[in-house]
Amino acid sequence: SAVISQKPSRDICQRGTSLTIQCQVDSQVTMMFWYRQQPGQSLTLIATANQGSEATYESGFVIDKFPISRPNLTFSTLTVSNMSPEDSSIYLCSGFTGEGYGYTFGSGTRLTVV
Amino acid sequence: GENVEQHPSTLSVQEGDSAVIKCTYSDSASNYFPWYKQELGKRPQLIIDIRSNVGEKKDQRIAVTLNKTAKHFSLHITETQPEDSAVYFCAANVGAGSYQLTFGKGTKLSVIP
Repeated sequence: SAVISQKPSRDICQRGTSLTIQCQVDSQVTMMFWYRQQPGQSLTLIATANQGSEATYESGFVIDKFPISRPNLTFSTLTVSNMSPEDSSIYLCSGFTGEGYGYTFGSGTRLTVV
Repeated sequence: GENVEQHPSTLSVQEGDSAVIKCTYSDSASNYFPWYKQELGKRPQLIIDIRSNVGEKKDQRIAVTLNKTAKHFSLHITETQPEDSAVYFCAANVGAGSYQLTFGKGTKLSVIP
């Protein structure tokens, strides 16, 4: 199955600033997704990253706050913009490699906004 | 949209005993049901999955059963070991052929040596 490298692994940011998280896959993946996970809680889907077009956002998430890029089938970025302490969370990317292989997750980015 | 309920939220078992985690889903069109294990501070890892055309699937000490009529599926871990201690998440895809997943809230499994 695919291996996803995600960076940074953690960061502490000032409120009002932005952070871009990158995910690199070692092979082409059909679909890529971005999730948010509060410590001790489940995964919430932020958006589907579409290759070469605008991402598809879930209810409660907007492009201005979480712009996403996916220029090719192996790379995607998520930016958390104009951060506030409420954005403190773990952000994970995920790739779907095709039937029979399920979804693979990146190692996550632990974001703390102060 | 799809709603996935997972029970129990916490589960403690003695080493060697079996553990069962249950999930229900709401969208009858869902046809893919994976289970993930997440150890503290690590990424979720796929441990087993099942598709709607199969009623049961086994992989060594882990098995998953699916009841499409009742819209529920379960994870069974036999002969539990301390390294099975983790949070387990069930998930279901959002409609037939969809690649989006909705996750349950998770079950924290503790295996007591």
